[in-house]
This record gives sequence, structure tokens and C-alpha cells, in this order.
Amino acid sequence: EAAVTQSPRNKVAVTGGKVTLSCNQTNNHNNMYWYRQDTGHGLRLIHYSYGAGSTEKGDIPDGYKASRPSQENFSLILELATPSQTSVYFCASGDAPGDNSDYTFGSGTRLLVI
Amino acid sequence: GDQVEQSPSALSLHEGTGSALRCNFTTTMRAVQWFRKNSRGSLINLFYLASGTKENGRLKSAFDSKERYSTLHIRDAQLEDSGTYFCAAETGGYKVVFGSGTRLLVSP
Repeated sequence: EAAVTQSPRNKVAVTGGKVTLSCNQTNNHNNMYWYRQDTGHGLRLIHYSYGAGSTEKGDIPDGYKASRPSQENFSLILELATPSQTSVYFCASGDAPGDNSDYTFGSGTRLLVI
Repeated sequence: GDQVEQSPSALSLHEGTGSALRCNFTTTMRAVQWFRKNSRGSLINLFYLASGTKENGRLKSAFDSKERYSTLHIRDAQLEDSGTYFCAAETGGYKVVFGSGTRLLVSP
């Protein structure tokens, strides 16, 4: 079954440390996205990708990098984690302009930066 | 089962007219967000509401957690409004549930 899988599910990191959030999709979608979800802001787009080797800045890219080494994998990297990056992160895959249902989210990663 | 029912699934409007999209929720949601899918497939955030209404240009959204629904009103529709619109609702446990989308076509 096609899916978007995120890892880890939960992460505690130390301020100044490096954090890598991983996302794998088996939907064969070209596009992949990283969002963070915060109370009062909803889902906000951090980085996205249109295919292997491509990364694009979303609405709130500062403090984050992204890597798309293959069609299936899209990572979000926090080189120097800060407490303000404590959040729930969602990865998604989708295609454009396509079917209404061609947009699949992972189950989320809870990150706590202390 | 599904927690978000979005309607209509498709909508055709003539330029200058208006209509409303609706999402009904089977449980109490903490907040709702409305998106529009752009031509490259990215979700563009339109509104985020924890309650009440918000307005931006020709778009207006309302969310009633108690009555378990949210609406997105479009007035004076323009050709560039065509696209697919989604609602997404936050449940109590940081889970986000998406509606199935509404394909809007605005014609001259």
C-alpha cells in the first residue's frame, strides 16, 4: 500500500545539535513537502521538492535545510537546533495538478528541542 | 471512518458570481485550515481559524467548532480562482485530517 513514512516518530534534541528528519514515500509522487504544525499557525510549509535533486524554499525555510537524494526520500535537516523549532513536523507527497486525492501525509514527527 | 466531509466535490462558476465550499466534521476539531492547490501541486495556505471568521479579499472563511463545520466563501469569482481547494482540520492530538477537495472551475 502506498504510503508516506516518517522517522523518527519522536525526537528530543539539545540546543545547537543537528537533527535530521527522514521521510520515505512509496506513492511514486514527484513532489514532496515538509510542514511544521503549531497551535495558532496551522500547517506551514518549510521546504518542498519537485523531484530527486531538487529542493525549494517554502514559507518558513530559515533554520532548515532539505535534501532529496531520490524520488522516495526527502529529509529535513536542522543544522543547529533551537527551542523555537520544537514542533510537530509533517511530510507529504503529491502530484500536480492531478487528482484531489493525490496528496498523502505522513503521521508526523514530534520534535522537542531543549 | 472519515472525519471530514467536504462538499461539493466539483463546482462551476461564471466570472463575477460566488458560492461556498463546506467541510463538515464528525468530531469536534480544534482548528481548520483552508488551502488551494497551485498549478505545481503545492498547497497554498488561505486561512487558519481556531474560531470565528476571517476575510481576505474576495475570500471569507468561517469555523464553528461546536456545530462541527467550516465554510469558504468565494465572491466575485475570477478565472484565476480555478483550482482545487482543501480544508484540513486539527484534531485534539496534533493529527491533521484533510477533506477530499473541491475542484473549482471559473468560466467567462
